[in-house]
Amino acid sequence: DGGITQSPKYLFRKEGQNVTLSCEQNLNHDAMYWYRQDPGQGLRLIYYSQIVNDFQKGDIAEGYSVSREKKESFPLTVTSAQKNPTAFYLCASSITGTAFYEQYFGPGTRLTVT
Amino acid sequence: DAKTTQPPSMDCAEGRAANLPCNHSTISGNEYVYWYRQIHSQGPQYIIHGLKNNETNEMASLIITEDRKSSTLILPHATLRDTAVYYCIVRVATGTASKLTFGTGTRLQVTL
Repeated sequence: DGGITQSPKYLFRKEGQNVTLSCEQNLNHDAMYWYRQDPGQGLRLIYYSQIVNDFQKGDIAEGYSVSREKKESFPLTVTSAQKNPTAFYLCASSITGTAFYEQYFGPGTRLTVT
Repeated sequence: DAKTTQPPSMDCAEGRAANLPCNHSTISGNEYVYWYRQIHSQGPQYIIHGLKNNETNEMASLIITEDRKSSTLILPHATLRDTAVYYCIVRVATGTASKLTFGTGTRLQVTL
């Protein structure tokens, strides 16, 4: 089945530690995205990538880093510089090159930092 | 991208039509209306999109007013599995990657 996988589903870390969230897609999509969702809120864009080895900051990139070495993979690192890292993190992917495209979302990773 | 306004919550009886409104009075001519939904603790799921004509697919219908300042998502026969947060999003159609701006959406509760 084609889709997006995120692992793990739940992640717990101590404050001051960096943590990397995994996102893999087998949809052959060029573009990938990371969003953050806080309780009762909508999604906010952290980073996105249109193509391998290229990525752009979203609205709330501070304290996060990404890489895009392979088309299928777009890992997100939550660094110790992120002030409030506890949140639900969602990865998405899409095609590009057409006027309309939908974004396909993964199941999310719920990160808790204490 | 234009801002959207949605009611925070709605209830619907199972089997009845659920009509979810969205106001986007500042929409511009090249902006599409998209609807996504998010079932609790899952990733959002695309439902439907439109520019100015009404659209229908296997999940829902989208009615866009003639002036394009508002739209309504219709789930014709709501089931308990349709309980979710529904997001109305307006964005320019572009061939490049860009964000979807999710507001707080409408929390639809389908009841027996």
